[in-house]
Amino acid sequence: QVQLQESGPGLVKPSETLSLTCTVSGGSLSRGSFYWTWIRQPPGRGLEWIGYVYHSGTTKYNPSLNSRVTISVDTSKNQFSLKISAVTAADTAMYYCARDRPDDPFDGGFDPWGQGTLVTVSS
Amino acid sequence: DIQMTQSPSTLSASVGDRVTITCRASQSISKWLAWYQQKPGKAPKLLIFKASTLESGVPSRFSGSGFGTDFTLTISSLQPDDFATYYCQQYLSFRTFGQGTRVDIK
Repeated sequence: QVQLQESGPGLVKPSETLSLTCTVSGGSLSRGSFYWTWIRQPPGRGLEWIGYVYHSGTTKYNPSLNSRVTISVDTSKNQFSLKISAVTAADTAMYYCARDRPDDPFDGGFDPWGQGTLVTVSS
Repeated sequence: DIQMTQSPSTLSASVGDRVTITCRASQSISKWLAWYQQKPGKAPKLLIFKASTLESGVPSRFSGSGFGTDFTLTISSLQPDDFATYYCQQYLSFRTFGQGTRVDIK
């Protein structure tokens, strides 16, 4: 079955760019009508949807983060990536990648999820 | 933006109890709602999508209902493995999560 795994630096300095990659295994990122998604969760708090990319490269972002976020896809590596620019301490969070299933036969929901990777913004 | 509001924020219950969590959308989202369970240190797990469709492998004691703006997640008989935090999420427009409901032991 499809599995997702996040990777990237666990520590980022304020004002710099956070970069993470999600590697998809057990299936092709290019197959099916799925949105490849990033979600984050600050310590002790709730979940925040960041945005998604389709295998064609089409993206959609949370309006609250839109100006700082870029999500891209590399179908040759079966990976998709997240970049958040000009980070502050408020961007400290567990970052998850997940598959969004908007169409038949699933009609919704994020599944599966990666295990998550903690990113701390600190000097 | 569509806002999602869950209630209660925390719920104390005992094994065997029937538990109900409510989620309200700031505007109609039709049936485009999912529910997740999250345990400490773990990624969320999808329980229900399209408001009432049980994800494969999820125990039948979980059920979802609602349409439009008001939705509920019900656990018919709470089991020890069910103590966790539950989130609703809309997917009519962009994606938004509720703030979560923690179910702990009474």
